[in-house]
Parts: sequence; C-alpha cells; structure tokens
Amino acid sequence: AQKVTQAQTEISVVEKEDVTLDCVYETRDTTYYLFWYKQPPSGELVFLIRRNSFDEQNEISGRYSWNFQKSTSSFNFTITASQVVDSAVYFCALSEIPPGGKLIFGQGTELSVKP
Amino acid sequence: DSGVTQTPKHLITATGQRVTLRCSPRSGDLSVYWYQQSLDQGLQFLIQYYNGEERAKGNILERFSAQQFPDLHSELNLSSLELGDSALYFCASSVDPRDEQFFGPGTRLTVL
Repeated sequence: AQKVTQAQTEISVVEKEDVTLDCVYETRDTTYYLFWYKQPPSGELVFLIRRNSFDEQNEISGRYSWNFQKSTSSFNFTITASQVVDSAVYFCALSEIPPGGKLIFGQGTELSVKP
Repeated sequence: DSGVTQTPKHLITATGQRVTLRCSPRSGDLSVYWYQQSLDQGLQFLIQYYNGEERAKGNILERFSAQQFPDLHSELNLSSLELGDSALYFCASSVDPRDEQFFGPGTRLTVL
C-alpha cells in the first residue's frame, strides 16, 4: 500500500534559521510522483513542487530546496533563512501512476517561524 | 489564486440534510479531484473525474456522490449529513492525471 509519513508534527524556529521538513514514502510502483504543498493559515493549498521518480536531481528554488533520495524513500524539503511568512502547514504527497493520479498526503508538518 | 473556484466558501447545515458543493477547474484542465480535510483523518482523496468520466474513487461514503459536467465543472453531493461530515472540502484540477494539481480555496462545511 502507498503511504506517506511526515514524522515531524510541529517545528518551531526563529527567523533566519534553516529548517528541514522530512518526508518518507512507501510505494510498490516504479513510476510515481512526489509533491510538496503549503497550507498557510488562510487555508488554501499551494503547490510547491512535483518530482518524477526517475529524476533524483535535487532542486533549488530561491530559499527552498528539495532532496530526493530513492534509496531511502525520502523527499525532504529545506527552507533556508526562514521568514515569518513561511509559517504554514506543509504537506508531502505521493501520486499513483495513471490512469489515476490521486494524491496520498502525509499528515503534515506545522512550521512556526518566530520573529 | 490557483484559478480553481469553489462555491460556497462556507456552508452551515443540520444533520440529515443534503448539500451540493460546486467546483470550476482551471481553464484547460480536464481532470477534477475532490478531497476532504478533517482534523482526525487529515487530507483524504474522495473521487476523481477526467473529461466527464469517473477515473478513481477513494474512501468516499455511499452518501456522497459527484459528477463532472460537459463544461467540466464538477459538483459533490453530500446527503444524510452527519456531524462527522464537518470538514474542509477541496476541489483540485490538473491538465492530465500526471500533472500537478491546483487546489481551490475549499468549502468549509459545518454540520450542526
């Protein structure tokens, strides 16, 4: 069965600290997609990144970076120099291969960045 | 703004009632998904439609049903509502099932 585990329920940091959010997944599929979404206090879900299982290159987008390691079934997310606006719940998700596409979400990590 | 619209934003109703949640996908997106977010269950996939046809089903209760219309908008019907159905219901859309999903702002349902 497919499963996503985000072991960190809550993380609290002080502004400008770096923070890493962990995500471990389980799947029997050889082709799959991994995602990160952000849910700020306003409640909407904001897409951050999609990663194909065949692409293990790390990705950096501004202060955000993602480390995908197939060997450990992990897809971790690092925020560098955190800011108060980064405070949100972050969800890691796994997508089954087509014809479906449903997202299987982890339980989320609530990040609180204090000034 | 993701481009996905959901109405209404809030809905308060009583147990036993029936409600309809509406979703308009982003322009050009053929795939529509419904998710339920609750404190105890987290974010759970309910059902997916692709170009009018049901494509996948999750843990959707028999009291719930959905459809996607020819103009690609979708409706989620919840009937015989129970207190436990209170949750945030999200609609998402994508061009193709392999693509990233963009979420609407959600409909917060409160069953009293």
